Amino acid sequence: EDQVTQSPEALRLQEGESSSLNCSYTVSGLRGLFWYRQDPGKGPEFLFTLYSAGEEKEKERLKATLTKKESFLHITAPKPEDSATYLCAVQTLGDFNKFYFGSGTKLNVKP
Amino acid sequence: NAGVTQTPKFQVLKTGQSMTLQCAQDMNHEYMSWYRQDPGMGLRLIHYSVGAGITDQGEVPNGYNVSRSTTEDFPLRLLSAAPSQTSVYFCASSVSSDRVLLYFGPGTRLTVT
Repeated sequence: EDQVTQSPEALRLQEGESSSLNCSYTVSGLRGLFWYRQDPGKGPEFLFTLYSAGEEKEKERLKATLTKKESFLHITAPKPEDSATYLCAVQTLGDFNKFYFGSGTKLNVKP
Repeated sequence: NAGVTQTPKFQVLKTGQSMTLQCAQDMNHEYMSWYRQDPGMGLRLIHYSVGAGITDQGEVPNGYNVSRSTTEDFPLRLLSAAPSQTSVYFCASSVSSDRVLLYFGPGTRLTVT
């Protein structure tokens, strides 16, 4: 059964304190892995897509990496405006039409 | 360009009532989908469509119906609401399921009493 697990569930950081969020997946074949940001009361907003092990993508203070079993979202010197829930999702080779989401990591960055 | 719009934003139903959640997109996207989001469970796919006239089931389709008569609209129908359907519902669209960049709507918070 295809599964996506995110850890930790919640993370509190001081402004400037770098850390990483984890997304581990068990799927029959990975087509793509996606990272989203979700602010309270809003829909998820697309951040990155990764397609193959070893691939990396960066955007401002965020960097996403992918291995054959997991993905990391590295946050360098975070600011309070980075506070949000971060979701990962996978698309499998078996069915391009379905996306499986993890339950998310709620990040709180204190000034 | 409004993107993906959803109405209503909030809704309270009584058990057994029916209603339709509306979703529209103005980006000419082929792929549209409905998710529900519950605490601790992440987003779960209810139904999806790869084009007008074509729909299929996701992970949790029971209790929901969909249709896609136009490219722009993808309504979600609850025929007989149950408390277990209390959730936040998101509609999402993409150019296609192959070229994936899901754009999400703002969500509908539904409470069934």
